[in-house]
Amino acid sequence: EVQLVESGGGLVQPGGSLRLSCAASGFTFSSHWMSWVRQAPGKGLEWVANIKGDGSEKYYVDSVKGRFTISRDNAENSLYLQMNSLRAEDTAVYYCARDWGTSNPIDYWGQGTLVTVSS
Amino acid sequence: DIQMTQSPSSLSASVGDRVTITCRASQGISNYLAWYQQRPGKVPKLLIYAASTLQSGVPSRFSGSGSGTDFTLTISSLQPEDVATYYCQKYNTVLRTFGQGTKVEIK
Repeated sequence: EVQLVESGGGLVQPGGSLRLSCAASGFTFSSHWMSWVRQAPGKGLEWVANIKGDGSEKYYVDSVKGRFTISRDNAENSLYLQMNSLRAEDTAVYYCARDWGTSNPIDYWGQGTLVTVSS
Repeated sequence: DIQMTQSPSSLSASVGDRVTITCRASQGISNYLAWYQQRPGKVPKLLIYAASTLQSGVPSRFSGSGSGTDFTLTISSLQPEDVATYYCQKYNTVLRTFGQGTKVEIK
């Protein structure tokens, strides 16, 4: 059974940093692209970033380029999102999701972790 | 960047009604289109991929169609458990984009 468990969310001041983690199990982690998708309170889904299985390719939505960094540790079956220079508009539930690159869409989602950026 | 536009943004229909949601891409994406259902307070769930292929376990009252720039999600007979927000997403490139969502309620 595919399982994705996020952690690391919380309250942070504007301009601060936070690192999200996602523990994956139930599939061959290193074979899959992985994504972060966020959802602001009461709003729709926004794809944030993804990373290829071997970590060689990374892509970001324009609004987080230069501030967020996606990474992975295939030995630990873990995905990360380092978030710097946080803004109020980054407040959202952040979902870790299993991705497939261009062959198939995101198919499994974690339960999400809430990030609140506020003073 | 390709934009995905859904319509309507919300709808209210009676149990048993046929419901149709549309999704339009600003450029052609072939059939690289997925639909997700997000029930209130829940995690998104993949319903349809490749524009018309039903994910395993999804009820047959859901169907998808379209190619290129115009796509539809149809619920043939709306059920109470279908109350949710539905999102389309393109995946023709590794840059994923979601539509803004369509909220479906029971009248």
